[in-house]
Parts: sequence; structure tokens; C-alpha cells
Amino acid sequence: GAVVSQHPSRVICKSGTSVKIECRSLDFQATTMFWYRQFPKQSLMLMATSNEGSKATYEQGVEKDKFLINHASLTLSTLTVTSAHPEDSSFYICSARGGFRGTDTQYFGPGTRLTVL
Amino acid sequence: AQTVTQSQPEMSVQEAETVTLSCTYDTSENNYYLFWYKQPPSRQMILVIRQEAYKQQNATENRFSVNFQKAAKSFSLKISDSQLGDTAMYFCAFMTAAGNKLTFGGGTRVLVKP
Repeated sequence: GAVVSQHPSRVICKSGTSVKIECRSLDFQATTMFWYRQFPKQSLMLMATSNEGSKATYEQGVEKDKFLINHASLTLSTLTVTSAHPEDSSFYICSARGGFRGTDTQYFGPGTRLTVL
Repeated sequence: AQTVTQSQPEMSVQEAETVTLSCTYDTSENNYYLFWYKQPPSRQMILVIRQEAYKQQNATENRFSVNFQKAAKSFSLKISDSQLGDTAMYFCAFMTAAGNKLTFGGGTRVLVKP
């Protein structure tokens, strides 16, 4: 158990367009999901915490109007990068808290590579 | 705020040998969890091992084991009988028992040589 999927795995878009990334917990329910950003050869940077049925909590410095998060069900959270620009190009990873070890462990999706031209 | 430090940016090891990765953390909390995650070239983050701070016994998962020293705030990972598939970035992470967020260290790149 504890499988998290992410879709798409790779996306290329034009500057000014919006991109939606989906994160799903496939075999467990996750009341809390997390969105991270990772630059090459660096650690993960938490962007926001997504709670089912309520507003996301954003980390300091993360623009909530640019990175829209929706956690509409116990198995799905989405991240929408609005009006994307080249500086938004990055590797985005989601995680879901739960699984067979309980709610104290985060399980990660495979990531989405976003390239904004 | 908690901090996690991995002092070794890169390490290499011969296949079948043992390598130990260091991790230290700083916290005023008494109840917390510690994790090691592996990120291979595919970039999928994989949970390697998990330790509850209230447990004195060190966690083990097959060839992976930890040396948890609570007083020293140290949480090292030992990889025994290293395999080529162990080549990856390894991240140490901390989470308070009452909290929600993971705090990651900067990572250690491990290269297993044939």
C-alpha cells in the first residue's frame, strides 16, 4: 500500500498559460497532501499543505494566487500554476500523509517536470 | 524551528561494501519522527526507513539500518552490502509528533561503484 500517483509526469507550456498537476493517493485516503518544488541538485522545498475540504496553507514566499491548490476529495489534490513564466520551470512533487504506517508518514508521487517556454 | 543537517554532500562505496550517512538535527521537541528517503535518478522519493523518537531500538529494513542517538540528536543511516541500485540521493527528514510538515536535510549523493 501507500502508492501516490502524479499526472502529468512531464509538461511543456507557453508562457502565460496555466498548467494543472494532479496528485492521487491510490490505495489510501489522505486528509493531508503536500506540494514541493525541487531545483536541480537541491533538497525539496515545501510550497503548501493541502487539507481536504479546506483552504491550503502556503509557506512564506509562495504566491497563493499563482499556485492554486484544491483538495476536493480524500484521494485527490491539484496544483494549478497560473500564468506560468519561465522561472516557474521546475520539478514539482506531491506527497500524501497516511498509508499503512499511519498518518505520521508521507508518501511521495513520482513528480512532474514543468518547462515553461 | 527544526533544522536537519547532512554534512556529507557526496559519498562513494564499492559494491557489496558498507557506507554510513550522517544526519544531525536540532529540535526542542521530545516526541518526533525521523526518516530517510532515497531519490534515485528517476527522482521518485522512496521511504527507506522510519524511526519514532520514543523508541530506543534502532529501526532496520533489510540492508538498511539506523543509529539513533537521541541525546546527541544524531540519526545516521547504514547501507550494508551496497548494490548498484542503491545509487541515489539520500535525504534525512524530521517531523514533530504533533506537527504536519517534514523538514529535510540537504541530501547526500551516494554512488555505488561496481
